[in-house]
Amino acid sequence: NAGVTQTPKFRVLKTGQSMTLLCAQDMNHEYMYWYRQDPGMGLRLIHYSVGEGTTAKGEVPDGYNVSRLKKQNFLLGLESAAPSQTSVYFCASSYSDPTSGLKEAGELFFGEGSRLTVL
Amino acid sequence: KNEVEQSPQNLTAQEGEFITINCSYSVGISALHWLQQHPGGGIVSLFMLSSGKKKHGRLIATINIQEKHSSLHITASHPRDSAVYICAVTAAYSGGGADGLTFGKGTHLIIQP
Repeated sequence: NAGVTQTPKFRVLKTGQSMTLLCAQDMNHEYMYWYRQDPGMGLRLIHYSVGEGTTAKGEVPDGYNVSRLKKQNFLLGLESAAPSQTSVYFCASSYSDPTSGLKEAGELFFGEGSRLTVL
Repeated sequence: KNEVEQSPQNLTAQEGEFITINCSYSVGISALHWLQQHPGGGIVSLFMLSSGKKKHGRLIATINIQEKHSSLHITASHPRDSAVYICAVTAAYSGGGADGLTFGKGTHLIIQP
């Protein structure tokens, strides 16, 4: 059981290049999220999805796009990378609403992270 | 927006010591998560609680709803406990939703042999 898998784990881009991060989960979870983690800051939500075919903006969505064509996959795209997007990106999933207070519904499962550097 | 403060930011202790990490938040919550981020970067969920106390092995998490405060305790600490511990909360008034989690900046714990 792989849990949540992110690819690639490391990537170096030049300013203006595009790329896609892939998140895959095998737990049949409805909710999936993309976060970024920067030094001295807590995890910040970029985009999220509450089910196949749905996406929504989080706290810091600018410069990113996402798609959830299949329930198990959540893709994060950078159309024109900027140095400000240098960060560690984490994908996460949960069976249901993590704010419900119910462990069975809301426990979060994270990927290993993807370190992106934009030069 | 809920503010989440963790203390201390950094903690170095000797193996075997009893460890306490604190999390304070500014508004009423519906759920609080404790997460562990390993030196290699991966993040795992340790606890999810909305009241009282939970225990798993040498880890204990408590929450005081009235005081808006939670603590994570580690008994008989070991070098393998070295990690960043992250608190995350959801405001009770947020109406739920996947965008309702606010994360603390984390506590960097080092346990020396």
